[in-house]
Amino acid sequence: DTAVSQTPKYLVTQMGNDKSIKCEQNLGHDTMYWYKQDSKKFLKIMFSYNNKELIINETVPNRFSPKSPDKAHLNLHINSLELGDSAVYFCASSHAAGLSYEQYFGPGTRLTVT
Amino acid sequence: QKEVEQDPGPLSVPEGAIVSLNCTYSNSAFQYFMWYRQYSRKGPELLMYTYSSGNKEDGRFTAQVDKSSKYISLFIRDSQPSDSATYLCAMDTGRRALTFGSGTRLQVQP
Repeated sequence: DTAVSQTPKYLVTQMGNDKSIKCEQNLGHDTMYWYKQDSKKFLKIMFSYNNKELIINETVPNRFSPKSPDKAHLNLHINSLELGDSAVYFCASSHAAGLSYEQYFGPGTRLTVT
Repeated sequence: QKEVEQDPGPLSVPEGAIVSLNCTYSNSAFQYFMWYRQYSRKGPELLMYTYSSGNKEDGRFTAQVDKSSKYISLFIRDSQPSDSATYLCAMDTGRRALTFGSGTRLQVQP
């Protein structure tokens, strides 16, 4: 019973393609996130959603579009993939405002663009 | 200058040693402090969470926050080979967007 799950685990694709990564959490959290970890292992936030509403967009290219069909799911769609998009993408979740701030991460999706 | 600085290591210690991991930060608005452990090719796993200054202990792990010095620490007592991983500090102003350090790679030698 994984708390935060992501699919796929690995994704290899060519430049110019469009791809999606899915995330689901069963922790009952209201807020979900996407983080990007680059080749130097540096983790940086991309987006956050609270109860299906976009809260944070950290100057990510508009080729990246998150979508939250409900508060337990947050997907990431990437258009026109570029070499620089190669990274590990982590989904995370936490409680909403007023409660604790701990964030729980999924296992990651390793994206390789060739 | 990065908002959060963390020595990348690697830090190599013998089994049973006390390990000290540290981060410094520049943004005085950070109020929530976390330590994550990340094994190779895995997601970050939350170890410790602290609000504002003070100490928190959980088993072999102790987290310390000194907001006046903008300095946080994680101590691991009786370190084990299974503790070998990358340790990431993370901080939040309350905006619910974590700012991470670059991680310290720890190796515990049996």
